[in-house]
Amino acid sequence: AQKVTQAQTEISVVEKEDVTLDCVYETRDTTYYLFWYKQPPSGELVFLIRRNSFDEQNEISGRYSWNFQKSTSSFNFTITASQVVDSAVYFCALSEAPETSGSRLTFGEGTQLTVNP
Amino acid sequence: IAGITQAPTSQILAAGRRMTLRCTQDMRHNAMYWYRQDLGLGLRLIHYSNTAGTTGKGEVPDGYSVSRANTDDFPLTLASAVPSQTSVYFCASSEERGEKLFFGSGTQLSVL
Repeated sequence: AQKVTQAQTEISVVEKEDVTLDCVYETRDTTYYLFWYKQPPSGELVFLIRRNSFDEQNEISGRYSWNFQKSTSSFNFTITASQVVDSAVYFCALSEAPETSGSRLTFGEGTQLTVNP
Repeated sequence: IAGITQAPTSQILAAGRRMTLRCTQDMRHNAMYWYRQDLGLGLRLIHYSNTAGTTGKGEVPDGYSVSRANTDDFPLTLASAVPSQTSVYFCASSEERGEKLFFGSGTQLSVL
C-alpha cells in the first residue's frame, strides 16, 4: 500500500528565511506521480507541482523549488526568502499505478507553515 | 460555473439524519473523487469514480455512498450521520490518469 509521511506538523519561520518541507513516500510501483498542494487560510486547495517517477530533475519555480530523490523516496519542497503570504498548510501526495488507479491521490498529514513578519 | 461547485458550503446536522453533499463539475473530466479532511490526518479518499456509471471505494468508505449517473455530477450521501463524520469534505476531478486533481471549495459538515 502507498503511504506519504510529512513528519513536520508545524514550522514557524521569520520572513525572508528559507524553509524546507519534508515529504517521504512509500510505494511498490515503479510508475507513480508526486504532487504538492497548498491550502491557505481560505481553505481552497491549490496545485503547486506534479512530478512523475521517471523524472528526477529538480524543479524551480520562482521562490519555490523541489528536490526529488528516488534513492531516499523523498520529494522535498523549499521556499526561498519566505513571505507572510506563504503561510498555509502544505500537502504532499502520491498517485500510484495511474493506469489502474486513475489519479487517486494518497495525501500526507500536511505541514502547517507560519511565516512571521 | 467554472470548475467544481460544491453545495452546501456548510451544514450542521443532527446525528441519525440523512444528508447529501452535492458536487458538479463543468470541465467534462472523467474521474471524480470525494475526500474528507481532518486535522492531523490530511485528506483521505472516501469514494471515487473513474467514469460515469462506475464507482469505487477509497480508504474510508464506511457510512458513505456515491452515485455517478452522468459525467458532471457526483453526490455523496451519508445515510445516517454520526458525529465522527464531522469533517471538511472536498470533491475533486481529474482529466486524465496521473494528472492533477482540481478541487472544489469544500463543505464543512458538523454532526451533533
